[in-house]
Amino acid sequence: DGGITQSPKYLFRKEGQNVTLSCEQNLNHDAMYWYRQDPGQGLRLIYYSQIVNDFQKGDIAEGYSVSREKKESFPLTVTSAQKNPTAFYLCASSLPGTDNYGYTFGSGTRLTVV
Amino acid sequence: AQRVTQPEKLLSVFKGAPVELKCNYSYSGSPELFWYVQYSRQRLQLLLRHISRESIKGFTADLNKGETSFHLKKPFAQEEDSAMYYCALKTSGSRLTFGEGTQLTVNP
Repeated sequence: DGGITQSPKYLFRKEGQNVTLSCEQNLNHDAMYWYRQDPGQGLRLIYYSQIVNDFQKGDIAEGYSVSREKKESFPLTVTSAQKNPTAFYLCASSLPGTDNYGYTFGSGTRLTVV
Repeated sequence: AQRVTQPEKLLSVFKGAPVELKCNYSYSGSPELFWYVQYSRQRLQLLLRHISRESIKGFTADLNKGETSFHLKKPFAQEEDSAMYYCALKTSGSRLTFGEGTQLTVNP
C-alpha cells in the first residue's frame, strides 16, 4: 500500500532539545515537503526538496533543518533555536511534472514543548 | 509576492443550502490553483484543481483571473461536507502556497 508515513504521531520535547521528525514515502516521488500547520494560519512551508541531496528553504525555515540522503526519506529536525515549536507538522510528496495531480500528505506529527 | 487569502475562518450553513468558500490570490505569473480538504481525523487531500475543470463531490471552482479568485461552490451542502478547506496556489517549481483555511460546518 503506497503512501507517506510520518512518525511519531505525538512528540514531546523539553526546552533546549533538538528533535527529529520522520517522513518516509514509497510512492517513488521526487519532491518532498515539510509544512507547519497552526490554527488560523493555514499551512506554512518550512523546507522542500525536489531531488535527492538537494533542498531549499521555505517561508519559515529558521530553527529547522532537513536532509535528503535518500529519495524515500526527508527527516525534519526541530532545533532549540526554533522559538515556538509547538505545532502540527505535515510532510507531503509529489512527482514534478504531474503536480497537477496534487500532493500526497502524511498523517502528521503533533509536537509539544513541555 | 504570491499570496492566498481565505477571508472566512469559519463558515456555517444548513444542510441543503448553497455554500461558497472564498479564495483570492495574488501572483504575477499564470496561476495554478487547487482546493484541499481535511475531514476530521483524516489526512489532507486534494479536492479539485482548476486545470481539470472537474466537479468532485458536487463541488466546483472557477478561476476568475480578472477578480483573482477561485471560490469553491456547492449548490446543496451535506453534513459530510463539514471539514477544513484550504485553497492553494502553485508557484515556483512544484511548491504550493496555502491559504489560512476555512472551517465549514454543515448543520442538520
